[in-house]
Amino acid sequence: DTEVTQTPKHLVMGMTNKKSLKCEQHMGHRAMYWYKQKAKKPPELMFVYSYEKLSINESVPSRFSPECPNSSLLNLHLHALQPEDSALYLCASSQVVSGTSLSYEQYFGPGTRLTVT
Amino acid sequence: EDQVTQSPEALRLQEGESSSLNCSYTVSGLRGLFWYRQDPGKGPEFLFTLYSAGEEKEKERLKATLTKKESFLHITAPKPEDSATYLCAVKDTGGFKTIFGAGTRLFVKA
Repeated sequence: DTEVTQTPKHLVMGMTNKKSLKCEQHMGHRAMYWYKQKAKKPPELMFVYSYEKLSINESVPSRFSPECPNSSLLNLHLHALQPEDSALYLCASSQVVSGTSLSYEQYFGPGTRLTVT
Repeated sequence: EDQVTQSPEALRLQEGESSSLNCSYTVSGLRGLFWYRQDPGKGPEFLFTLYSAGEEKEKERLKATLTKKESFLHITAPKPEDSATYLCAVKDTGGFKTIFGAGTRLFVKA
């Protein structure tokens, strides 16, 4: 099973709202990622968790707050977003490499289409 | 600085007309090169991982190859359902960060 699930599929929120995006995987992967993707652009990395600890924060504004409550779940809490934050938000997971020169592919969820009004 | 460049930006083919997509990369140390397929409004779907120059992998009508500077995704006798954006990505020795190319949008007409 190589499935990553994301909820909700679509989200419309005002600039004063607080909402959360959820991601779940059951592949035993210990690395989980949040990406932001604008139309006709490649995914942009936002956050990486490894073994439930935040490993990478790509200078993302504090109105985006990630959380990894356990090895299968990843949340992205949203607050006071701007219209330019409207995008497809993708969650991904992968195995964690240690002690080797190789790297493993990421498996992506279907995304959450976020519209900020 | 790590960089991934894909060409062409868009490719229009007739059904059955074989062609190749290019991915040129610059990384300090390659840990893996990945090909993904992405349909509009959906998440990228993993296709292949290549690790070293000379490596090739195949899946149905797709074949990915790797040299020290670039990778090709060959599409043999494409069908309309192969229409999608194909993304190339590389991971260097630095850790978790994956660098994505801008993608090639493929259109296959019946």
